[in-house]
Amino acid sequence: AQTIHQWPVAEIKAVGSPLSLGCTIKGKSSPNLYWYWQATGGTLQQLFYSITVGQVESVVQLNLSASRPKDDQFILSTEKLLLSHSGFYLCASIRDRAYEQYFGPGTRLTVL
Amino acid sequence: QQQVRQSPQSLTVWEGETAILNCSYEDSTFNYFPWYQQFPGEGPALLISIRSVSDKKEDGRFTIFFNKREKKLSLHITDSQPGDSATYFCAASSNNRIFFGDGTQLVVKP
Repeated sequence: AQTIHQWPVAEIKAVGSPLSLGCTIKGKSSPNLYWYWQATGGTLQQLFYSITVGQVESVVQLNLSASRPKDDQFILSTEKLLLSHSGFYLCASIRDRAYEQYFGPGTRLTVL
Repeated sequence: QQQVRQSPQSLTVWEGETAILNCSYEDSTFNYFPWYQQFPGEGPALLISIRSVSDKKEDGRFTIFFNKREKKLSLHITDSQPGDSATYFCAASSNNRIFFGDGTQLVVKP
């Protein structure tokens, strides 16, 4: 069974500071990977998706970037955080059936 | 334009009652409709899903009713339990796209 690990679990950062969030997946080769953002009590907004190493497609910008340096790794980052970046960041993959998203435990980001 | 809409925003039922969560969508090309359950502080988990070729999908106490002509679906939770208290997201998908609704927050009172 595939497992998704996200780090850190939670982060408190200052406005204007850089950010890097990580996601690794085990138990599945060449997975499709996704980054989502969720405001407190809000819906899930897909930010980026990646089908293969080195390839990332942007769905919504939000002044963030993503990279896929390894087959099992997906990184979300920005050089300058905004207050609006606060929220819950989720990494996801697809299970055996297409479009069945399997989510990681998430990273809670608070920007002050 | 919001692709997937859910109602109500929040719902409270008593233990043992049936909770009905509604969902509608815009794009007629959507062909796959998963529902996700999310507890506070956790990532969403796939609960049940239906393809557009079906009008009903049942899994234990959870049933999806699907009306393709009206572009509507609903999730019925029978014999609701306090442990079912969570936020439920309806989603719609086709090709490599997936869109989520805003969620329904369900509270089941004992």
